[in-house]
Amino acid sequence: QKEVEQDPGPLSVPEGAIVSLNCTYSNSAFQYFMWYRQYSRKGPELLMYTYSSGNKEDGRFTAQVDKSSKYISLFIRDSQPSDSATYLCAMSAGEKLTFGTGTRLTIIP
Amino acid sequence: SAVISQKPSRDICQRGTSLTIQCQVDSQVTMMFWYRQQPGQSLTLIATANQGSEATYESGFVIDKFPISRPNLTFSTLTVSNMSPEDSSIYLCSVSGTSPSLAYNEQFFGPGTRLTVL
Repeated sequence: QKEVEQDPGPLSVPEGAIVSLNCTYSNSAFQYFMWYRQYSRKGPELLMYTYSSGNKEDGRFTAQVDKSSKYISLFIRDSQPSDSATYLCAMSAGEKLTFGTGTRLTIIP
Repeated sequence: SAVISQKPSRDICQRGTSLTIQCQVDSQVTMMFWYRQQPGQSLTLIATANQGSEATYESGFVIDKFPISRPNLTFSTLTVSNMSPEDSSIYLCSVSGTSPSLAYNEQFFGPGTRLTVL
C-alpha cells in the first residue's frame, strides 16, 4: 500500500463548477499537508500549505485536512480554464515530502 | 518564495554517458532536494543536497549513480551517470527555508530538466 493515494483522473468539469480533489494517506505521523499545481512541462507550484487538521482558504481555493480519517481535500470554486493542470498532494512529518501521483484536471470552457 | 533555475531545461543523451544538471537559486536557502518524476508517477525524492558535506540518499538511489554537489547555499548539481533508457525522466530540484516568514518545510520547485536517454 502506498503511503499516499490519489486518484489520477483524468477529471473534466465545465467552467464555473466546483472541483473536489482528494488524497488519503496511511502515515499518522504526517503533520504538514500541501497541494501543488503543475502545468504541462513546468515544475510544481505550491498552492496551499496546511499544518495539522482544519480548513484553509485562499481565494477560490480551500484546503481541508481531516487527520482522524487520514483524508485531505482541495476545493476549487468557480473553476476557470486556467485551472487546467495536474494537482499533486504532498505531506510531511518533517523536512521530506511524500507526494501523491497527481490528478489531471481539465476545465471545459 | 525564491526564484529557481535549472540547466539544461532538456537534453537527449546516449546510453552510457553522463549528464550534470545545475540548480541555481537567487537567494540563500537552507535545504535543497533532488527529485525524479517519471511519466504517470509521483515525484520521488532522490536525495537531500547538504551544503559542505555528502548528500543524503533515499532508498534505491546511490551516490555512484547520482553524485550530487552543493558547494554553497544557492547552488547544487545532480549528475546522472552511465545513463540507460530507464533514466529518462524529469529531474527537479526544490528548496526550502527560503524565508523566515515561511514554514521551514515549504518547498519550492525549479522548472525541471527533461532527460531522454536513447
